[in-house]
Amino acid sequence: EVQLVESGGGLVQPGGSLRLSCAASGFTFSSYWMDWVRQAPGKGLEWVANIKQDGSEKYFVDSVKGRFTISRDNAKNSLYLQMNSLRVEDTAVYYCARDRGAHTYDYWGQGTLVTVSS
Amino acid sequence: QSALTQPPSASGSPGQSVAISCTGTSSDVGGYDYVSWYQQHPGKAPKLMIYDVSKRPSGVPDRFSGSKSGNTASLTVSGLQAEDGADYYCGSYAGSNNVVFGGGTKLTVL
Repeated sequence: EVQLVESGGGLVQPGGSLRLSCAASGFTFSSYWMDWVRQAPGKGLEWVANIKQDGSEKYFVDSVKGRFTISRDNAKNSLYLQMNSLRVEDTAVYYCARDRGAHTYDYWGQGTLVTVSS
Repeated sequence: QSALTQPPSASGSPGQSVAISCTGTSSDVGGYDYVSWYQQHPGKAPKLMIYDVSKRPSGVPDRFSGSKSGNTASLTVSGLQAEDGADYYCGSYAGSNNVVFGGGTKLTVL
């Protein structure tokens, strides 16, 4: 059974940092692009970033470029999102998602809430 | 890219059919056969219901179907059941490793 389990969310002040983790199991993690998708409270979905199978390519939505980094450890079946210089508008539930191709997400984690507030 | 346009709400009685539209441009919906639909119940993660415009993942009831014409995609739910009440989001590949989502449609089963 495919499972994605996020952790690392919480309350942080504007300008602060957080590192999200996603533990994957039930599939060959190293064979898939992996993505982070977020959802602000009461709002729709927004793609944040993704990373190629071997970590050699990484892409970000414009609003987080230069502030967020994405990485993966295929030996540990884990995906990460390092978030720096956090802003109030980054407040959202962050989902880890498996990308089956063309940004189609066939499995999602349960999400982890990031709240940026003073 | 701008978000895809979905109606904010839709409704139908049990057993009826309802269609939800998702309008984009020739740079996303109209340009690629990579439209997907996600179902989200309150407090839960999204679930893939349709991908590549009209394909259903294993385990998704055949009451759910997808189609596309020009820059508009549609999700049709036939034989509505109470558990189909949820938020539905469309997503489309938009080239250059980009994806755009719709604003979501709240489906109410009356």
